[in-house]
Amino acid sequence: GAVVSQHPSWVICKSGTSVKIECRSLDFQATTMFWYRQFPKQSLMLMATSNEGSKATYEQGVEKDKFLINHASLTLSTLTVTSAHPEDSSFYICSARDPAGGLGDTQYFGPGTRLTVL
Amino acid sequence: AQTVTQSQPEMSVQEAETVTLSCTYDTSESDYYLFWYKQPPSRQMILVIRQEAYKQQNATENRFSVNFQKAAKSFSLKISDSQLGDAAMYFCAYRSRNSGYALNFGKGTSLLVTP
Repeated sequence: GAVVSQHPSWVICKSGTSVKIECRSLDFQATTMFWYRQFPKQSLMLMATSNEGSKATYEQGVEKDKFLINHASLTLSTLTVTSAHPEDSSFYICSARDPAGGLGDTQYFGPGTRLTVL
Repeated sequence: AQTVTQSQPEMSVQEAETVTLSCTYDTSESDYYLFWYKQPPSRQMILVIRQEAYKQQNATENRFSVNFQKAAKSFSLKISDSQLGDAAMYFCAYRSRNSGYALNFGKGTSLLVTP
């Protein structure tokens, strides 16, 4: 099946710094990628939809200036958490849609990134 | 907005037995997709099974099958011959066919498999 990678798998940073998380589709071209946030023992909450070559669409309540998303190529989307604070600590998961695959409407998920802000 | 409800926060099953996880959803649309995803302790989301709303036949993937009741807006997952490796969080998800590709997840059911 399709593979999506995320880097880093975990990161610890100081409050006030910025952190970039990469999401890559390894064996397919993803015109659309998604960023989710998951708190412990909770479900995935969609943060934003990232479309290659255009601005991301953010869900209500998600600060676009704090969570910068760039989808510069068909295989890479990045999420930058700017001026991170302890409340930004969470598990961030990306997914990618493979429009050309046999299951064209299926999203494939990355392994997630655990962010801890001290 | 569509809502997905998983009313069982936790379920337990003995190895080799069968368990059914419940999921209901609310939508005014007639065409959509439904999914079950598994999230083991590694937290990697794994697609278990998917169902297109226009298909009356219930989807089946090896030991996993669904009972899709469109009129009742119900989409339950049956796991047969449960294995220890089935222990995980299971999320039911809805995707509209006509308004974007984002998934709307339920709160999840934690499945414990006992030897």
